[in-house]
Amino acid sequence: GEKVEQHQSTLSVREGDSAVINCTYTDTASSYFPWYKQEAGKSLHFVIDIRSNVDRKQSQRLTVLLDKKAKRFSLHITATQPEDSAIYFCAASISSGSWQLIFGSGTQLTVMP
Amino acid sequence: EAAVTQSPRSKVAVTGGKVTLSCHQTNNHDYMYWYRQDTGHGLRLIHYSYVADSTEKGDIPDGYKASRPSQENFSLILELASLSQTAVYFCASSDRDPSAETLYFGSGTRLTVL
Repeated sequence: GEKVEQHQSTLSVREGDSAVINCTYTDTASSYFPWYKQEAGKSLHFVIDIRSNVDRKQSQRLTVLLDKKAKRFSLHITATQPEDSAIYFCAASISSGSWQLIFGSGTQLTVMP
Repeated sequence: EAAVTQSPRSKVAVTGGKVTLSCHQTNNHDYMYWYRQDTGHGLRLIHYSYVADSTEKGDIPDGYKASRPSQENFSLILELASLSQTAVYFCASSDRDPSAETLYFGSGTRLTVL
């Protein structure tokens, strides 16, 4: 079946540095790529997304890049803060009869003071 | 702010017992989902529904049933709970299909099967 892979299970950065989380996907028909954040002990909430008609999207300190040829997308966080510490999940839409999302396994980002 | 509430927050069940997880949304969303979260596996879709009185199988439906009696309510039923079903379960809703719309998640139910 189709997959979304996050190869980094953990990532540690110093406060103020940048963090990059990478994902790859297998479905060439994927057109929507959201990112969700899960803080410790809490639920997931949406942070940013990108659609296949663009290759870059920025929202404040967050930027998503999409490389359709390589089937790769990434989340860039600049000027990291302690409150950025969380698990980040990437996801991609797939078409298997009806459109659904497949999630990556998550990356635990730790921002160290 | 979209609101999805799950109950119970946590539950301990015995192997072979019946477990019902409930989800209620006040967003007037058509789509509702049940996901399972296991360490190292991210979220996997169990069942979903896009209209009341109808449910669809997701990626891992075996051992689970779902019920959507109304637009607001979506339940996940484990008829014969097994040890392998120990996990955190998340309900979510969206206004349209997830290729076009943000998912709003509930706070999760931690299920432990002994």
